[in-house]
Amino acid sequence: DTEVTQTPKHLVMGMTNKKSLKCEQHMGHRAMYWYKQKAKKPPELMFVYSYEKLSINESVPSRFSPECPNSSLLNLHLHALQPEDSALYLCASSQGTSNYGYTFGSGTRLTVV
Amino acid sequence: AQKVTQAQTEISVVEKEDVTLDCVYETRDTTYYLFWYKQPPSGELVFLIRRNSFDEQNEISGRYSWNFQKSTSSFNFTITASQVVDSAVYFCALSRISEGGFKTIFGAGTRLFVKA
Repeated sequence: DTEVTQTPKHLVMGMTNKKSLKCEQHMGHRAMYWYKQKAKKPPELMFVYSYEKLSINESVPSRFSPECPNSSLLNLHLHALQPEDSALYLCASSQGTSNYGYTFGSGTRLTVV
Repeated sequence: AQKVTQAQTEISVVEKEDVTLDCVYETRDTTYYLFWYKQPPSGELVFLIRRNSFDEQNEISGRYSWNFQKSTSSFNFTITASQVVDSAVYFCALSRISEGGFKTIFGAGTRLFVKA
């Protein structure tokens, strides 16, 4: 299995809602990432998990809360988002301490209304 | 400071033409990694190639080739005999080790249109 699976593919949520994005990989990768990508812009790093511990938080607002329950799963909990948070949220994984490139999921397209 | 510049915003070619996508990077690190990713309309970024800073050997993979030149801080990507399926956004990326792990920054991307 050489895939990163993200669910849901599309999500529309109100500003008072609480929702979660899910990411799963079974490649034995020990580093997992959340990226945010606005339309016609490059991906921007949000969080890095290394061996299930949060290792990098790129000053992301607290309305985004990551969680890594085990080595295969990565969640992004969303609460009280703003319309400007609408974007494509990409999950990626890579081998733990090496840097052989990321395997990306196809993303969750989030719309905040 | 780390920076990746892809000066070409959009390129349009006719099928079977060769096309080169430019990438210029800035870093003060001696150890770093360079990547190219392809993002088709479906949204998923696809890894194409990785180069570390100590390996300036150029690489060819089918119709794809990459030219890494440290002297000019460039890592250009050429598609030979382009095809409609090559239409996508291509990102050049720079990765370095930092406290907490590898941090990768992406260039702004070059949107390639290949017309039949």
